[in-house]
Amino acid sequence: DTAVSQTPKYLVTQMGNDKSIKCEQNLGHDTMYWYKQDSKKFLKIMFSYNNKELIINETVPNRFSPKSPDKAHLNLHINSLELGDSAVYFCASSLPGASSSYNEQFFGPGTRLTVL
Amino acid sequence: GESVGLHLPTLSVQEGDNSIINCAYSNSASDYFIWYKQESGKGPQFIIDIRSNMDKRQGQRVTVLLNKTVKHLSLQIAATQPGDSAVYFCAESFTGGGNKLTFGTGTQLKVEL
Repeated sequence: DTAVSQTPKYLVTQMGNDKSIKCEQNLGHDTMYWYKQDSKKFLKIMFSYNNKELIINETVPNRFSPKSPDKAHLNLHINSLELGDSAVYFCASSLPGASSSYNEQFFGPGTRLTVL
Repeated sequence: GESVGLHLPTLSVQEGDNSIINCAYSNSASDYFIWYKQESGKGPQFIIDIRSNMDKRQGQRVTVLLNKTVKHLSLQIAATQPGDSAVYFCAESFTGGGNKLTFGTGTQLKVEL
């Protein structure tokens, strides 16, 4: 099936640990994103990459580091995890945003991160 | 910063009735608006979109209305079904913004049998 996939679906870890979330898309898209959804369901963009190049970098602690080994993958590495990092993290992908159009973003199923 | 917000956090409707979910936005530079549906345990799913040069767009059982004068958009769902129960988000984007989406706070739609 063509889709955006994420692993793991659930991640429970202790404060101070380092963890990674992986994202892959087989839609042939050039642009990938990471969003954070908090306990109140508020969705906020964190990063976007276009063909392995960082495009959007919102105000996110530098403990969060996205890595794009190729345009089909965008992984999120988090160092020194804190309680406030507990959230659902969504990966998304789209065709590149052009100067005159918007391209629909397709979301993955999410990774629920719980920091104890 | 500017934001997109929703008037009603929870909306309960009877099966078969029409649903209207509202959204206010404040970024006058936004020229593209999207409604997403998020079912429990899943990622947001695109429903319908509208550009700022339009005031209405219809899909299958859904209609989006845009009022640029008061910076308001709404999602109308006709003949609401149990499968429509979900959280609905409006989101905005603007040309040249790198395809960045700014989401509203979400409305929980509950369909009662």
